[in-house]
Formats: sequence, structure tokens, C-alpha cells
Amino acid sequence: GDSVTQMEGPVTLSEEAFLTINCTYTATGYPSLFWYVQYPGEGLQLLLKATKADDKGSNKGFEATYRKETTSFHLEKGSVQVSDSAVYFCALSHLQGAQKLVFGQGTRLTINP
Amino acid sequence: GAVVSQHPSWVICKSGTSVKIECRSLDFQATTMFWYRQFPKQSLMLMATSNEGSKATYEQGVEKDKFLINHASLTLSTLTVTSAHPEDSSFYICSAGTASQETQYFGPGTRLLVL
Repeated sequence: GDSVTQMEGPVTLSEEAFLTINCTYTATGYPSLFWYVQYPGEGLQLLLKATKADDKGSNKGFEATYRKETTSFHLEKGSVQVSDSAVYFCALSHLQGAQKLVFGQGTRLTINP
Repeated sequence: GAVVSQHPSWVICKSGTSVKIECRSLDFQATTMFWYRQFPKQSLMLMATSNEGSKATYEQGVEKDKFLINHASLTLSTLTVTSAHPEDSSFYICSAGTASQETQYFGPGTRLLVL
């Protein structure tokens, strides 16, 4: 079945550091890929998404490129801020419409000032 | 953006009692709602998918008689944990979406503690 694997956390960085959170997936066909973020005490929020190979999703300085050849969707940010501290989830879904999401295990990110 | 609410945000109950959690889409009509369970420091595990007006589809290993899901309208779905036990203590999260949009909108979650 479909699965998503993220790099294990927790990840701790200093402010303005470069961030990479690795995500790889196993799926049939061509799923859509997502990054969700969960801030402390809040629900999940969609951070960015990509629906086909070579698409780049971006939002709030974060980027991720859909790499079909490596089945990856790594999350990157050039300069992190303390406010980026949260748990980040990589996920995939098939087809269109409100299809069910398969999540990775989540990566907790802490940014120190 | 679209808003999904959950009520209550947290609940403590005695073992053997039943608990109902509500999930509402406040500013859009949700044709599909999903219920997830999240254990501490772990990912979200999908429990069931519910479409308005039809029976929920449960994931393998989820007891449908224990976790009753009702999706009676396009803005409301409920999850009832029947005869709750301490092992049912968890963080329950709902999400809502429409057939025309790929994005799901998540509620803030309900923390359940069964004593």
C-alpha cells in the first residue's frame, strides 16, 4: 500500500539556518503530495502541495519539488525563524477531490533564537 | 480560508462511558469528512471516511461498533467513542473536504482522556 517516510526528528536549528526535511513516498500511479504544519496547540494547516512531477509547491518561504524519479518531496527553507517551530507532516493522496491522506510520521522542528 | 471546528476541545470521562465529538465545517459544505487519531509524537492514522448521507468507511483494524460515525448533514459529522477505555485516550482530529477540491481542512482536534 501507499506509504510516506520522513526523516526522524526532532530537528533543532538556530534562527536563519537552512532547513531540509526529507520525505520519500511509495505509491502506485501519480499521487498528489502535500506538506502540512501543526503549530503547538493548533490543528494541521496545509503548507504547500504539488500535484504532478516536477511541480514546485511554495508558501511562507518554504519550498518542495515533486521528484518522480527519486519519489521524494523534500521540504526546504533558506532561513528559518523561531515562529517556524512546529511539527511538519508530509502526505500524499490519490486522484482528485477530498481523497484520504496518507501521512508520514511527522518531524518536530525547534528553532532557537 | 475554510474553517473546521471541533467540540469539545478536550474531554475527560470515566471508563465505560460514551463520548461524542462533533466536527463542523463553518463556512463551506463538506461532502466528505475524515476522522483521524494521533498518538503522542506519532503521525495521524486515518480511522474512517464519511460521506454525507451514507455509512462511513472504516480503515482496517478500526472497530466500527466502537467508533460510531454519523455524517447527517453537509456541515456536521460526529464521532462517538462507545464504552470508552483508557486505551482509547488519544487526540482525535477531523478534516473536511469537498469533491471538487483536493485540499482538506483540519479541525483543531479533541483530546480524550479516559480514566
